[in-house]
Amino acid sequence: EVQMVESGGGLVKPGGSLRLSCAASGFTFSSYSMNWVRQAPGKGLEWVSSISSSSFYIHYADSVKGRFTISRDNSKNSLYLQLNGLRAEDTAVYFCARVAVGTGDFDYWGQGTLVTVSS
Amino acid sequence: EIVMTQSPATLSVSPGERATLSCRASQSISSNLAWYQQKPGQAPRLLIYGASTRATGIPARFSGSGSGTEFTLTISSLQSEDFAVYYCQQYNDWPPYTFGQGTKLDIK
Repeated sequence: EVQMVESGGGLVKPGGSLRLSCAASGFTFSSYSMNWVRQAPGKGLEWVSSISSSSFYIHYADSVKGRFTISRDNSKNSLYLQLNGLRAEDTAVYFCARVAVGTGDFDYWGQGTLVTVSS
Repeated sequence: EIVMTQSPATLSVSPGERATLSCRASQSISSNLAWYQQKPGQAPRLLIYGASTRATGIPARFSGSGSGTEFTLTISSLQSEDFAVYYCQQYNDWPPYTFGQGTKLDIK
């Protein structure tokens, strides 16, 4: 069974940092591109960042470029998102999501981890 | 950036009736469109990909249609568990991947 479990969220002050993790199981993690998607309270879905299976291709939304860093460790079946320079508008639930092979949709999602940026 | 626009924002339908949700892309995305269902406190769940292909385990009452810039998600006979928020997403031209703002399907 495909499973992805996020962790690392919490309360942080503006300007602070956090590192989110996504632990994957039930599939060959190293074969899949992965994404982070966030959802502010009561709002819609916003794509944040993507990373290819080998980490060769990495992309960011303009809203996080220069502040967030995506990475992965295929030996540990894990995806990461380093969040620096956090702002109030970064407050959201952060989901990791797997890209389906051959299509491009996001076929499996983790349950999310909440990041709250507040003084 | 491709802008995805969903309508209506809220749709009130009685159980057993048909629901039709719309999604429009600001430029052609071929059939590279997905639909997701999200219930409160849960992650999104993939319903439809390739504009019209049901994902694994999705009931046949869910169907998708369209190509280019106009897309539709139809739920043929609403069950109680179908009341949720639905999002469309394009993956034709990225980055960025873009989502619609969502349609909330309410019980009438």
